Amino acid sequence: SQELEQSPQSLIVQEGKNLTINCTSSKTLYGLYWYKQKYGEGLIFLMMLQKGGEEKSHEKITAKLDEKKQQSSLHITASQPSHAGIYLCGAGLPNAGNNRKLIWGLGTSLAVNP
Amino acid sequence: NAGVMQNPRHLVRRRGQEARLRCSPMKGHSHVYWYRQLPEEGLKFMVYLQKENIIDESGMPKERFSAEFPKEGPSILRIQQVVRGDSAAYFCASSITGGNTEAFFGQGTRLTVV
Repeated sequence: SQELEQSPQSLIVQEGKNLTINCTSSKTLYGLYWYKQKYGEGLIFLMMLQKGGEEKSHEKITAKLDEKKQQSSLHITASQPSHAGIYLCGAGLPNAGNNRKLIWGLGTSLAVNP
Repeated sequence: NAGVMQNPRHLVRRRGQEARLRCSPMKGHSHVYWYRQLPEEGLKFMVYLQKENIIDESGMPKERFSAEFPKEGPSILRIQQVVRGDSAAYFCASSITGGNTEAFFGQGTRLTVV
């Protein structure tokens, strides 16, 4: 089973609508990263969360990490076609040996209809 | 300031041949990480290197795979005697430090073994 579960697997929204993507683990996470990937391209860093209860925003995207550091959500306000892509969450586990031995969700594919 | 550069973008190899994937980190970055992305499986950590040193190779298959990051030049991921199961997208990321800092990803090399 996947160590990081992302939901939903895919999402189609109308331009202007809000949406939320979730990333959940049964283990306490050590550093939670959100990236966006477009097909055939690399990953674009969005945000990193470390502390329980932390929340960060950039433009119309807000990411939160719960107090237990086991769940994160990514919220997009007033979605635009430019938000379309695959959103990936990655996280470190305590005792992983190194901070970059991240585990990853399978991604959420977002389409925004104009 | 160029981002992380990976080449080639696409690589086709016959079974049994060798594949060499190159990654030039961002300027000033001395930490490099390789990940593999298989369809339906998500990203998997392979190896973490710092200039001339392998820090953690626990995610890399013990046979046929090797990685290096010499003092001069790009990091190289080498796959000997490729098999069809090696077909995947291989991503390289770099960061300034090895801690919980932002890592920048390259656009990946898509390896197809025929």
